[in-house]
Amino acid sequence: KAGVTQTPRYLIKTRGQQVTLSCSPISGHRSVSWYQQTPGQGLQFLFEYFSETQRNKGNFPGRFSGRQFSNSRSEMNVSTLELGDSALYLCASSLDSGGDTQYFGPGTRLTVL
Amino acid sequence: TQLLEQSPQFLSIQEGENLTVYCNSSSVFSSLQWYRQEPGEGPVLLVTVVTGGEVKKLKRLTFQFGDARKDSSLHITAAQPGDTGLYLCAGENNAGNMLTFGGGTRLMVKP
Repeated sequence: KAGVTQTPRYLIKTRGQQVTLSCSPISGHRSVSWYQQTPGQGLQFLFEYFSETQRNKGNFPGRFSGRQFSNSRSEMNVSTLELGDSALYLCASSLDSGGDTQYFGPGTRLTVL
Repeated sequence: TQLLEQSPQFLSIQEGENLTVYCNSSSVFSSLQWYRQEPGEGPVLLVTVVTGGEVKKLKRLTFQFGDARKDSSLHITAAQPGDTGLYLCAGENNAGNMLTFGGGTRLMVKP
């Protein structure tokens, strides 16, 4: 079975731009969670999607949004980029509801200049 | 807000030494997970502990969940250079797939 894939792997943007990151979960997995990882704050939960609905949301501003498609693939969008948005964005998929093992993708490294 | 504190933040040891990493919280979690992350990759799950007092062993790694399900430890016996990496603990509550991560312990094992 293929693992979680994330595209692109690396991205460079400038302040004020917007960006869309993509995540393809493991086949059969219906839950996709997004995390931001920075040296200062560590790994922080952004949001989780299950069956195309946002089920949980972390403490991030509204500039961070996401969605999930009927095939469970997910995208996250960050608008009006700030320097502090530079981070590794990780997506994790799991089979179903809470308590299932989450499998992480390799992440997308976003640099905001 | 649930928080997890990991200690130490950094650890540099010689091959063959033993070490323990701690993960503490004031909150109760339904389960606690340990991950290892290498540069350029996402975290990889090592173990999940669910029951208070539970001890799990994975070769040279021993994981323990505190009786009150608020803290956990990871003990590595006879560390090897291949154990080098970032070790993360993460707590899960009953609100779905929302993990709260500790700050991580960056381990370097020198040959």
